[in-house]
Amino acid sequence: NAGVTQTPKFRILKIGQSMTLQCAQDMNHNYMYWYRQDPGMGLKLIYYSVGAGITDKGEVPNGYNVSRSTTEDFPLRLELAAPSQTSVYFCASSENRVPGELFFGEGSRLTVL
Amino acid sequence: AQSVTQLDSHVSVSEGTPVLLRCNYSSSYSPSLFWYVQHPNKGLQLLLKYTSAATLVKGINGFEAEFKKSETSFHLTKPSAHMSDAAEYFCVVSEGGGADGLTFGKGTHLIIQP
Repeated sequence: NAGVTQTPKFRILKIGQSMTLQCAQDMNHNYMYWYRQDPGMGLKLIYYSVGAGITDKGEVPNGYNVSRSTTEDFPLRLELAAPSQTSVYFCASSENRVPGELFFGEGSRLTVL
Repeated sequence: AQSVTQLDSHVSVSEGTPVLLRCNYSSSYSPSLFWYVQHPNKGLQLLLKYTSAATLVKGINGFEAEFKKSETSFHLTKPSAHMSDAAEYFCVVSEGGGADGLTFGKGTHLIIQP
């Protein structure tokens, strides 16, 4: 059972480039989330989804977009990358709404130069 | 509005000695509280959670935490540290209300000295 899988694990982007971080879960969870983690800070919610076709903004959505066409996949799109988007990105899923347990992927480390 | 404060950014203990990681919270409602652990280059994993049942909560790997409403605290403890406990620990509070309802603390880095 793979759980939550994120790709790529590492990526370097130039300012202005775009890319998509992939996230897939095989637990049939309805709820999925994207967080970013910056040094010395807690996790900040970027976007979340409560089911296929339904997404909503979190605390720090600017510069990002998401889609949820299937239960399994929840890709995060970065448009026009900026140095402020240098961070570690975590995808997570949960079976139930908060306060259910979150299951996290291993993270995607993005550097924008 | 809810908030959470982890009182120590770094804690260093010797192997075999007790661990105490401190967390205070602020909430207008009866919150749910969690501790997550993050090992190097890994995702976060749930250690334990409090959701208004017993105030003393036992988690995985010998950790436990006590919910103290009068002190608005949810400190994480372990009687005897092991080298494998070296990691980042996050205290998390939720007032419920939806998928965006979690607030993460800034984390405490636990160092285990041999």
